[in-house]
Amino acid sequence: AQTVTQSQPEMSVQEAETVTLSCTYDTSESDYYLFWYKQPPSRQMILVIRQEAYKQQNATENRFSVNFQKAAKSFSLKISDSQLGDAAMYFCAYRTDGGNQFYFGTGTSLTVIP
Amino acid sequence: EAGVAQSPRYKIIEKRQSVAFWCNPISGHATLYWYQQILGQGPKLLIQFQNNGVVDDSQLPKDRFSAERLKGVDSTLKIQPAKLEDSAVYLCASSPLGFYNEQFFGPGTRLTVL
Repeated sequence: AQTVTQSQPEMSVQEAETVTLSCTYDTSESDYYLFWYKQPPSRQMILVIRQEAYKQQNATENRFSVNFQKAAKSFSLKISDSQLGDAAMYFCAYRTDGGNQFYFGTGTSLTVIP
Repeated sequence: EAGVAQSPRYKIIEKRQSVAFWCNPISGHATLYWYQQILGQGPKLLIQFQNNGVVDDSQLPKDRFSAERLKGVDSTLKIQPAKLEDSAVYLCASSPLGFYNEQFFGPGTRLTVL
């Protein structure tokens, strides 16, 4: 069974600083996709970044980047130059290649301190 | 482009009552998902439609939950009768056919069962 674990229920960061959110997953598959979603207090989930397991290069989207360690089954999100608008719940998610279902972690609540 | 619409945004009912939620996906999106997000947890897939057919409903409690997607567009999710443990946010998402990595979420319906 696929499981996604986020061991940090809450994190905080000073504005303009960098923060890293952790995620580990368990799978026996070799091909899959990993995602980070952001859920602001309005509750509309937004895709932040996506990583294909077959790609060795870590994905980057502006201030957001990932550290994908396939052997360790680790997928962390780094937010650089944190902004007040980054404050939200962040969910790590997993999908098998060929599967339809997303498996989500329990989330990390990020607070940005002005 | 209009996003995924859901209504109502909030609903409070007594246990054993019935409730229905509505979702209108992004125009042209063939795949529609209903998720249940219990407080402190990540979203869990309840049912997935492709056009008006069910792809996956393995985690839908069929003794009390039902869903339909007539004409392959709008969808309704019903709970009858509701239990206390059904209190959650119900999220609807949609994606273009075959683009399972591109899930767009609605704002959700927060259900409180008293």
